[in-house]
Amino acid sequence: SYELTQPPSVSVSPGQTARITCYGDALSKQYAYWYQQKPGQAPVLVIYKDSERPSGIPERFSGSSSGTTVTLTISGVQAEDEADYYCQSTDSSGTYVFGTGTKVTVL
Amino acid sequence: QITLKESGPTLVKPTQTLTLTCTFSGFSLSTSGVGVGWIRQPPGKALEWLALIYWSDDERYSPSLKSRLSITKDTSKNQVVLTMTNMDPVDTATYYCARVVAARGDAFDIWGQGTMVTVSS
Repeated sequence: SYELTQPPSVSVSPGQTARITCYGDALSKQYAYWYQQKPGQAPVLVIYKDSERPSGIPERFSGSSSGTTVTLTISGVQAEDEADYYCQSTDSSGTYVFGTGTKVTVL
Repeated sequence: QITLKESGPTLVKPTQTLTLTCTFSGFSLSTSGVGVGWIRQPPGKALEWLALIYWSDDERYSPSLKSRLSITKDTSKNQVVLTMTNMDPVDTATYYCARVVAARGDAFDIWGQGTMVTVSS
């Protein structure tokens, strides 16, 4: 089955830049999406179609794609950005898949 | 305002069938490009996609769970129903429904609050 692989954790100091990667064979052909999930809350879409930002999402959140790896970048990290982050995509048959998740800790 | 809300039992016994209902407002599942999907999350674990139904009645299922899942829609009631058969303790999780719209590709752009389901005898 199709898998999306993320690092389990990323630690960053306030004001610094956090980068979260997501690897998947089909990412060179399919869009990627990113979600932020805080404890006890439902996920929130922060990036769609690799690099588009929904209204209401701060500009410090950005996305990029290179081959089979996509990256979520949080510039100028704030304490409120501490959360779990998940990538998501689809395969060629239209099956949806979520990444393994990355816990971002703000030091 | 777009909202989705999940409802169903909080406790089911092993081997029973789970039926969850997603009731939504602020959009229509008869609009081209719109879909509603189900995603679950066991305690402390990652999100797992389960199923999705589009405005066109196209249904998609997780390959690993396809034999146990069924998704249907009632456009007049603004509801999507997920059934999962032969429940097991490993199916204990928070179950979410979420909207998909073509303008955002395959993204789940709006989510319900989730409903916790425990499988135990």
